Amino acid sequence: GAGVSQSPSNKVTEKGKDVELRCDPISGHTALYWYRQSLGQGLEFLIYFQGNSAPDKSGLPSDRFSAERTGGSVSTLTIQRTQQEDSAVYLCASSGPRGKQAFFGQGTRLTVV
Amino acid sequence: TQLLEQSPQFLSIQEGENLTVYCNSSSVFSSLQWYRQEPGEGPVLLVTVVTGGEVKKLKRLTFQFGDARKDSSLHITAAQPGDTGLYLCAGGMNSGGSNYKLTFGKGTLLTVNP
Repeated sequence: GAGVSQSPSNKVTEKGKDVELRCDPISGHTALYWYRQSLGQGLEFLIYFQGNSAPDKSGLPSDRFSAERTGGSVSTLTIQRTQQEDSAVYLCASSGPRGKQAFFGQGTRLTVV
Repeated sequence: TQLLEQSPQFLSIQEGENLTVYCNSSSVFSSLQWYRQEPGEGPVLLVTVVTGGEVKKLKRLTFQFGDARKDSSLHITAAQPGDTGLYLCAGGMNSGGSNYKLTFGKGTLLTVNP
């Protein structure tokens, strides 16, 4: 696609349920990033992929959070046993081999009720 | 450990005022980028600076990369309500081979009141 695509755009889930958030990066982009953003706040780094490997997953807040990337393309962020404090906008970004610019998706707004 | 520190975290000013936001690090970056995010949207690139001491201007916005390539500043002259948004800096460095990683600061949330 022309840009970074995230789905769903909005997700409301009950506390304790698992959710999967999807990111389709720009074709050919090797680097992929997941960030979390609470209302009116800045970016909180979660994980960075280079190809299919994740050399930096230091931002994942707990073992309920995991992410994978397959085929050097699509990435899925999974949150297990969701809690209300997981409510936020989850942003995905990708950049090419030279990393000149990161392109962000529109984000997935997750609400845990 | 936060590699890039942005300050201030929040800034609320009146239309017509000038402001400067800062992006500081103890690490050397090969490039420094500034992004702007409007409500409900993803961040969008404003500028990239790559040379120590480099200054770039974008209308009322002036971006500077520090001589040592560890810090940067964004200065806005005569701020307007349309400048309201989250301003993010991102440092780029080689992470092995031809791979390149961008590290983002947490951002400065700017509100310009009419």
